[in-house]
Amino acid sequence: NAGVTQTPKFQVLKTGQSMTLQCAQDMNHEYMSWYRQDPGMGLRLIHYSVGAGITDQGEVPNGYNVSRSTTEDFPLRLLSAAPSQTSVYFCASKINPFSGAEAFFGQGTRLTVV
Amino acid sequence: DAKTTQPPSMDCAEGRAANLPCNHSTISGNEYVYWYRQIHSQGPQYIIHGLKNNETNEMASLIITEDRKSSTLILPHATLRDTAVYYCIVRATGQGGSEKLVFGKGTKLTVNP
Repeated sequence: NAGVTQTPKFQVLKTGQSMTLQCAQDMNHEYMSWYRQDPGMGLRLIHYSVGAGITDQGEVPNGYNVSRSTTEDFPLRLLSAAPSQTSVYFCASKINPFSGAEAFFGQGTRLTVV
Repeated sequence: DAKTTQPPSMDCAEGRAANLPCNHSTISGNEYVYWYRQIHSQGPQYIIHGLKNNETNEMASLIITEDRKSSTLILPHATLRDTAVYYCIVRATGQGGSEKLVFGKGTKLTVNP
């Protein structure tokens, strides 16, 4: 049972490049989400999904796209990377959107945009 | 959405109990209180959650006041490995009544030898 797996662990992009951060979970969780964490800050919610085919915006969605075509995967796309998107990105999942249950987090992707 | 207020930092001696407070005065009756922690730059780790009653698990205890406007996370015997940022989170409601976790800045707990 791998839990929540994020790839890559590290990435350097040039301004204007696009890329996709991958997130996969093998726990059959309905709810998945993406956060970013900047130095000295808490986590801020980017997008989340309550099930396959359903996504919604969090606190800081601008510049990011998501889709949820399967239960297992929830990729985060940066269409045109900007230095302001330099951050650590965390993906999380939980069993369903409604219960008071724990969320499982991946180990993060450290992204630098130059 | 209910907001939480936590002290930015706290210190605790190794082996002593660490009591981390959280204020959530605007919490609604059906909103859970969650605690997570983040060690170094790892992904956050779930600790405990509760609704009205006090809760205890192998990691910690959660004490929620009767009016539910505040809570305290208790690490009964803090160790050096408990040094981390601790986040108190109150469920926020998203699409279709689903819940989403909104993190604040948390409390940086330093356990000293």
